[in-house]
Parts: sequence; structure tokens; C-alpha cells
Amino acid sequence: EDQVTQSPEALRLQEGESSSLNCSYTVSGLRGLFWYRQDPGKGPEFLFTLYSAGEEKEKERLKATLTKKESFLHITAPKPEDSATYLCAVTLSISSGSARQLTFGSGTQLTVLP
Amino acid sequence: DTEVTQTPKHLVMGMTNKKSLKCEQHMGHRAMYWYKQKAKKPPELMFVYSYEKLSINESVPSRFSPECPNSSLLNLHLHALQPEDSALYLCASSQGPEQYFGPGTRLTVT
Repeated sequence: EDQVTQSPEALRLQEGESSSLNCSYTVSGLRGLFWYRQDPGKGPEFLFTLYSAGEEKEKERLKATLTKKESFLHITAPKPEDSATYLCAVTLSISSGSARQLTFGSGTQLTVLP
Repeated sequence: DTEVTQTPKHLVMGMTNKKSLKCEQHMGHRAMYWYKQKAKKPPELMFVYSYEKLSINESVPSRFSPECPNSSLLNLHLHALQPEDSALYLCASSQGPEQYFGPGTRLTVT
């Protein structure tokens, strides 16, 4: 069965304390891995797409990497405003027309303390 | 511009009411989605429209009825909901692999 697992479930960091979030997947036919940020009561905000092992993407204090079995979201010198839930999702085969079906992990709730 | 808008932001409805959620995007995306999200859970896919045709219905109860009047609009009609249907309802759109989400409608069924 295709699965996406995120760890840890929750992470508390001090401001400036770098760390990584993990997303492991057991799927065949991966067509893309996505990272989203979600603030409480709001819709997920798209961060990155990764397609192949070895690929890396960066945005401000965030860097996403991909291997054949997992992805990491590295957070360098986080600030309190980075506090959010970070969701990982994968898309498998191409769905109908322009649509894609996402399978989400359960998320990592990140809290950055000042 | 990657904006998806949803109205209303909040909705409280009784179990006998009929209401609708609305979603709009002007990015020229041809796929639109409805998701349901309960607290501390990831979004769950409900419906997918591709080129204004329903392409995926994830076994959603018939008290939820989607409609795609044109390529920019997506509605979700609600009727005879149950308290367990209270959740954040998210709309998303895509043209390529990335889906862009709206801010959601917080629905409370009393």
C-alpha cells in the first residue's frame, strides 16, 4: 500500500536552532513530492516540488532535498514566524486531464520559540 | 498570481439547512479540487474536476454535491449535513503538478 509518513509529529525549536523534518514514502511510480506550509485555520501554502533523487530546492531558511525513499525539509536558523504545520505530499501516476491526485502525510507541527 | 478565493470564510448551519460553498480562481487552471480537513489531520480529497468534468469522487456522501459552472468557479452544495461534517473545507486548483489552495471555509454543523 502506498504510504507517506512524516516525522516527528511535533517539533519545538529555539529561535536559531536548525533542524530537519522527514517525509518517507513507500510508493511506486512517484511523479512528484511536494512540501506545503499550513498555518492554523488556513489553507496549505505551496513551498516546493521535487521530482528526482538528488534534487534540492531552497527558499529563504528552508531547503528541501529528495532521495529515493525520503525527503527532508531543512530549516536553518528558524524564526518564530516559521512556526506552522509542514505537510508533505506525493503524486503518483498522472490522473485524468490536468488533474493530479495528492497523497498527504500527517504533517509535522513546528513551534519556534523566541 | 496564485490566488484561489473561497466564500464564505465561516459558515454555521443546521442539519436541515441547504447552503453552498464557493471557490474561484483566475489563473487559467483546468483542474479544481475540494478537500475536507479535520483538526490536526491532513486534507482529504473529496472531488476532482478536470476541464469542468467530474473526474474523481472519493466516495463522498450524497449530502455533498459539487458543481463546476465554468473553468473559474467551483461550488459545493450542502444539504442535510451531520455534526461530524464540521471541518475546514478547502478548494484547490492546478494546471501543472502543483496544487494551489484557497484559505478554506470553516463549516460548523449544529
